[in-house]
Amino acid sequence: DAKTTQPPSMDCAEGRAANLPCNHSTISGNEYVYWYRQIHSQGPQYIIHGLKNNETNEMASLIITEDRKSSTLILPHATLRDTAVYYCIVRVLDSGYALNFGKGTSLLVTP
Amino acid sequence: GAVVSQHPSRVICKSGTSVKIECRSLDFQATTMFWYRQFPKKSLMLMATSNEGSKATYEQGVEKDKFLINHASLTLSTLTVTSAHPEDSSFYICSARPGRGQETQYFGPGTRLLVL
Repeated sequence: DAKTTQPPSMDCAEGRAANLPCNHSTISGNEYVYWYRQIHSQGPQYIIHGLKNNETNEMASLIITEDRKSSTLILPHATLRDTAVYYCIVRVLDSGYALNFGKGTSLLVTP
Repeated sequence: GAVVSQHPSRVICKSGTSVKIECRSLDFQATTMFWYRQFPKKSLMLMATSNEGSKATYEQGVEKDKFLINHASLTLSTLTVTSAHPEDSSFYICSARPGRGQETQYFGPGTRLLVL
């Protein structure tokens, strides 16, 4: 799996958009970008994944640059419950192998 | 959506005893389940991969005789921590893979183990 780089921490005001960046400059053509988050003392939660097109679901949007070397997870209207560690993971689709969690970004949403 | 449960959510045991943790996929069949452990302020570390009906594959440094994994059905995997010691105190998390199409892995809520 390609290596990813994320800032260790970020702050965001409640109600504002949270934009979480991820660099994955060594990504291969068949590797997808996955995002998970882990709220304190809970199991990780799947958020979204994509290959090269931008993706949106009820939780977030994923913007992948044209060269696919970086991406941004967008939480359009952050709430206090979005405070969590966010993990960007790059891997082949449904490879059957476990997810390799890096250090992630600790997002703090403040009132 | 896909739901994975773990039981118990929290357990305290004495040193030297064994503890069993169950991981269940509630609304799908999981051909593969994974077990992770997580120490405070650290990321998840994979312990082993469990395929239904076959022996688990353990990561380097994980003692297979200490962490017994059984995946007897497509909806249940168990992790038994044998002869637990205080250093085994950790947050244990399982995930399950439905194994179809573009599905990804779904995680249980975790089990907090404290060994006294």
